[in-house]
Amino acid sequence: GENVEQHPSTLSVQEGDSAVIKCTYSDSASNYFPWYKQELGKRPQLIIDIRSNVGEKKDQRIAVTLNKTAKHFSLHITETQPEDSAVYFCAASSHLYIPTFGRGTSLIVHP
Amino acid sequence: ETGVTQSPTHLIKTRGQQVTLRCSSQSGHNTVSWYQQALGQGPQFIFQYYREEENGRGNFPPRFSGLQFPNYSSELNVNALELDDSALYLCASSLYGRAGETQYFGPGTRLLVL
Repeated sequence: GENVEQHPSTLSVQEGDSAVIKCTYSDSASNYFPWYKQELGKRPQLIIDIRSNVGEKKDQRIAVTLNKTAKHFSLHITETQPEDSAVYFCAASSHLYIPTFGRGTSLIVHP
Repeated sequence: ETGVTQSPTHLIKTRGQQVTLRCSSQSGHNTVSWYQQALGQGPQFIFQYYREEENGRGNFPPRFSGLQFPNYSSELNVNALELDDSALYLCASSLYGRAGETQYFGPGTRLLVL
């Protein structure tokens, strides 16, 4: 089955800095890679996703890159703000439509 | 709001008891997946239901079972509860049939087993 590794487990940055979270996956059949943000006590919310036919996708301060050859994808957040503080999960899924999640990265943005 | 609802929000049970959790999918969605999220961990896939049939199952024992109803809502049943079953249980709905269709999560049910 699919295995998704996510790093780092904790990331602490100053407000205004950039943050990068990296994930690797094992199943070459995976073709959809969503990223979720989960604030304390709340449900995971989709923030951005990318499909395997695209190498990069951007939405305002958030971008995701995908390297299919190396089987890794990354989340980039620029100009971080305190409200970006949360746990971020990457996931990978194939034609079975069942995503496998990483263990999460706790992002802390210091004012 | 995504439209996925779950009930109850919190539940306390004792070891050996049985529990039923409920999920209503977002309008237009036909697939419901259930996840277990232990503290500090990512969601772990339990199973998925599509057209009232189990469509895939993760590494969970048979005492975890489920149902999907004609209106696409779903139940998760856990028998013979164990202390390690304490977790946040999330359901997510999606539209099956398109590769990688996004899953939208409900608010979860927090289960505590004493």
